[in-house]
Amino acid sequence: LAKTTQPISMDSYEGQEVNITCSHNNIATNDYITWYQQFPSQGPRFIIQGYKTKVTNEVASLFIPADRKSSTLSLPRVSLSDTAVYYCLVGGYTGGFKTIFGAGTRLFVKA
Amino acid sequence: GAGVSQSPRYKVAKRGQDVALRCDPISGHVSLFWYQQALGQGPEFLTYFQNEAQLDKSGLPSDRFFAERPEGSVSTLKIQRTQQEDSAVYLCASSLARVAGGDSTDTQYFGPGTRLTVL
Repeated sequence: LAKTTQPISMDSYEGQEVNITCSHNNIATNDYITWYQQFPSQGPRFIIQGYKTKVTNEVASLFIPADRKSSTLSLPRVSLSDTAVYYCLVGGYTGGFKTIFGAGTRLFVKA
Repeated sequence: GAGVSQSPRYKVAKRGQDVALRCDPISGHVSLFWYQQALGQGPEFLTYFQNEAQLDKSGLPSDRFFAERPEGSVSTLKIQRTQQEDSAVYLCASSLARVAGGDSTDTQYFGPGTRLTVL
């Protein structure tokens, strides 16, 4: 199973764009890249998932280079409510699915 | 249902007691996962079900931990003879386990968790 590496924490200000990069050098061919967000006292919440190139939804974008050894979650114009822990995961369904979360990135958004 | 629900939300147990934690997944979701999350850490995988079959229990920390999903819907995580190191948030997640085009995506939807405190 691919291991991921993320920064432990990041600070930002309201209205800024935040980019969180995740390294996954041992990603397998059939692995997807998924990002989750977690607020205190809540379970993780799915943000975005991708396989290659760029994926965009209403809350974020995910950039994946051709070699897929890293990925970048981009949060446009963050607000105070985006303060949370963000997890990068890699994995794929193979008839069994052992999901491995890392320690995540703690994002602090300041006013 | 609207989402994954877990009960109780909080549980305090004396060391040595048995506890049972319940998870109600989203209706129709095939896959169900249990995780343990210690304070300040990411969730750690415990076990995985596909319908009623427990396909992976490699993350269960000891034989005091037991999970079941007898009818392929509701699941229960049981911890026998609880120890202080079992204190954590226990998260449940479910997914469709949808397969598309030869590859598959498996977005997991998490419940709010049960915070277990063992005194």
